[in-house]
Amino acid sequence: DTAVSQTPKYLVTQMGNDKSIKCEQNLGHDTMYWYKQDSKKFLKIMFSYNNKELIINETVPNRFSPKSPDKAHLNLHINSLELGDSAVYFCASSQGQGGFYGYTFGSGTRLTVV
Amino acid sequence: LAKTTQPISMDSYEGQEVNITCSHNNIATNDYITWYQQFPSQGPRFIIQGYKTKVTNEVASLFIPADRKSSTLSLPRVSLSDTAVYYCLVGGPYPSGYSTLTFGKGTMLLVSP
Repeated sequence: DTAVSQTPKYLVTQMGNDKSIKCEQNLGHDTMYWYKQDSKKFLKIMFSYNNKELIINETVPNRFSPKSPDKAHLNLHINSLELGDSAVYFCASSQGQGGFYGYTFGSGTRLTVV
Repeated sequence: LAKTTQPISMDSYEGQEVNITCSHNNIATNDYITWYQQFPSQGPRFIIQGYKTKVTNEVASLFIPADRKSSTLSLPRVSLSDTAVYYCLVGGPYPSGYSTLTFGKGTMLLVSP
């Protein structure tokens, strides 16, 4: 009965590869997000979707492409992975835009690029 | 956008009350203060939210003075399991909700036996 589930939990891959992370929420929320938390623990917004529409794209390289097939799913595809992409990626959702409405976060995907 | 300032870290012992203060000098009229807690290897989770005066729930209390330029998260009788990072976000419903998309570095609370 996980509210926001992400897969996989761990991802180790080589530089130059393409990988995807999937996210699903069963809360009926209309807004979903991708956040990146680097080794310094700073949690930065990457993308935000509202009812399948991209509404926030925070200066993220073109190699990152989110896709929302429906409002319950938000996937993240990363092309040509680089060492600097190593981080924990969190998916989140909320009813309404922003932390004011109360985010629900997934448990994160730890991506390691070697 | 309202900018927030919190201590980088705090130490406490089990059973003590912990108060974490957040400064937000340029808070806007329709902004709320929302606190999140993040355990290692987990995403942040909502703890408490308030607009003014005092809010209390089963986890914490939030004190907001009349000028709203700061707020204090109070954790009563902490235990080892309260060791986590605590984030203060300031913002409100759309369109000012944008400011709550960004988490600062938070306050790392370490509770010792």
